[in-house]
Amino acid sequence: NAGVTQTPKFQVLKTGQSMTLQCAQDMNHEYMSWYRQDPGMGLRLIHYSVGAGITDQGEVPNGYNVSRSTTEDFPLRLLSAAPSQTSVYFCASRFDREGNSPLHFGNGTRLTVT
Amino acid sequence: GDSVTQMEGPVTLSEEAFLTINCTYTATGYPSLFWYVQYPGEGLQLLLKATKADDKGSNKGFEATYRKETTSFHLEKGSVQVSDSAVYFCALILLEDTGRRALTFGSGTRLQVQP
Repeated sequence: NAGVTQTPKFQVLKTGQSMTLQCAQDMNHEYMSWYRQDPGMGLRLIHYSVGAGITDQGEVPNGYNVSRSTTEDFPLRLLSAAPSQTSVYFCASRFDREGNSPLHFGNGTRLTVT
Repeated sequence: GDSVTQMEGPVTLSEEAFLTINCTYTATGYPSLFWYVQYPGEGLQLLLKATKADDKGSNKGFEATYRKETTSFHLEKGSVQVSDSAVYFCALILLEDTGRRALTFGSGTRLQVQP
């Protein structure tokens, strides 16, 4: 049971480049989400999904796109990277869409935009 | 909106010392409360939770009591170990929120335990 798997672990981009952060879970979780973690700001929700084919915006969605074509995968796409997107990104999933079950986190992707 | 406020760190303690990390919250309804822990190089993992007033969550020697009157959920441990060194996040969720149903996190408190 791998849990939540994120790739890559580290990435350096130049301003204006695009890339996709991958997230996969093998626990048949309905709910998946992306957070960014910045010093002194905790974790902020970027996008989330309550099931395949359903996505919605979180607190800080600008500059990011997501899709959920399968239950297992929830990739995060940076359209045109900016230095303000330098951060650590976490994918997290939980069994239910309502919020009763705990969130399971991946180990994160550390992104630097120069 | 809903928010969580944690004490700023880092908190530096000697092994076997008593730990308290303060957490207070603001919410429009009656939230469920959580403590998550992040060890170096890893993602967050659930440490404990409480779903209603006066509930006490506990795990691995850590405890926190849901205090509705003071809107607090302070984390305590009687005797810390070096292996407890990590970043601790307090968080809440409003289950009656039919929108995002997302956790709101505090900014995190780094704990450093010295041998």
